[in-house]
Amino acid sequence: DAGVIQSPRHEVTEMGQEVTLRCKPISGHDYLFWYRQTMMRGLELLIYFNNNVPIDDSGMPEDRFSAKMPNASFSTLKIQPSEPRDSAVYFCASTLGRPETQYFGPGTRLLVL
Amino acid sequence: GENVEQHPSTLSVQEGDSAVIKCTYSDSASNYFPWYKQELGKRPQLIIDIRSNVGEKKDQRIAVTLNKTAKHFSLHITETQPEDSAVYFCAAYLEDSNYQLIWGAGTKLIIKP
Repeated sequence: DAGVIQSPRHEVTEMGQEVTLRCKPISGHDYLFWYRQTMMRGLELLIYFNNNVPIDDSGMPEDRFSAKMPNASFSTLKIQPSEPRDSAVYFCASTLGRPETQYFGPGTRLLVL
Repeated sequence: GENVEQHPSTLSVQEGDSAVIKCTYSDSASNYFPWYKQELGKRPQLIIDIRSNVGEKKDQRIAVTLNKTAKHFSLHITETQPEDSAVYFCAAYLEDSNYQLIWGAGTKLIIKP
């Protein structure tokens, strides 16, 4: 099993640019989570999906952030326009059923200049 | 809503000694309590979990205890080794809400040689 796959692993962009982060969950998993991690705020849940449907997006910081899950094997988190305060590590995680182990991807380290 | 407090934020112990990290939760309906370990630059990974019908669970050098009356749970690591150095996160799952783990702020464990 390849585990949760995220791309890109590192992203450096300039303020105002659009950023798209990608995630492929573990095959067969029915929950997908997007987290943001910073030193100041720790691990924050942004949004999660169940069977491709967004269930709770109350953690999405503002309208600049959007997430989609067009099918069971792919999800995107988009930031448009990006700002320096969006710099963080973004993790995707998936799980089968609840509550069960969340398997995290390697993360995308985003730096917005 | 649920809130999870984790203490201490940093813990430094001598190699070979034991380490204890404590978490408290606010909602008595919480019924699942995982612990994740995150090594520097890596993803969080589950190391042990406990459900509310169990008071203690062990896995080699690590153990978790749960006190439902006091609403707290603890991670115990015995015979600490350098590879135990990491950030440890506790979390609590509330059955009655949308599926969401409420995360503690993390404890940085430093093992001194």
